[in-house]
Amino acid sequence: AQTVTQSQPEMSVQEAETVTLSCTYDTSESDYYLFWYKQPPSRQMILVIRQEAYKQQNATENRFSVNFQKAAKSFSLKISDSQLGDAAMYFCAYRAGTYKYIFGTGTRLKVLA
Amino acid sequence: DVKVTQSSRYLVKRTGEKVFLECVQDMDHENMFWYRQDPGLGLRLIYFSYDVKMKEKGDIPEGYSVSREKKERFSLILESASTNQTSMYLCATDPDRGAYSNQPQHFGDGTRLSIL
Repeated sequence: AQTVTQSQPEMSVQEAETVTLSCTYDTSESDYYLFWYKQPPSRQMILVIRQEAYKQQNATENRFSVNFQKAAKSFSLKISDSQLGDAAMYFCAYRAGTYKYIFGTGTRLKVLA
Repeated sequence: DVKVTQSSRYLVKRTGEKVFLECVQDMDHENMFWYRQDPGLGLRLIYFSYDVKMKEKGDIPEGYSVSREKKERFSLILESASTNQTSMYLCATDPDRGAYSNQPQHFGDGTRLSIL
């Protein structure tokens, strides 16, 4: 069965510092997509970044980047120059072969001023 | 921008009531989803629909049903509400019919449902 694991329920980072959120997944598929979503306290979930498994190059979006290790089935999110507005729940998600997305249990990120 | 609107932000109902949660999207997306979000459990899929009148069970469909009579509207129904259905409910959409899609989901603001 396909699963997504986020082993860090909560993380803290000082403003302007860098933090990495971990995500591992289990799949037998070779073609799939991975996503990081952010859910701020206002609750609407929004996409942060996505990665296609067939692409070797790691995706980047401004201060957000991923470290995609396909063989290790690892998909971590790095946030550089952390800002107070980055405080949120972050969910890792996987999709392959069906309409369904599989979400991890989330990591709550606190940003300390 | 895609807009996904859930009818209520907060809802309080009593045990045994029939409860309707409504979700409307304005971007002609094919797929619509209902999730339940609980602390420590992440998002769990209740039902999804890939077309009008079409529905498929997700991972936790027991105690719920859905209705999609029009493309833009997807309703979640709690047939006889119970206290263990107290939770945050999220509606989401995405545009693609096919699998292996990199299209992200678009979410509503959520409905915090309390069953007393």
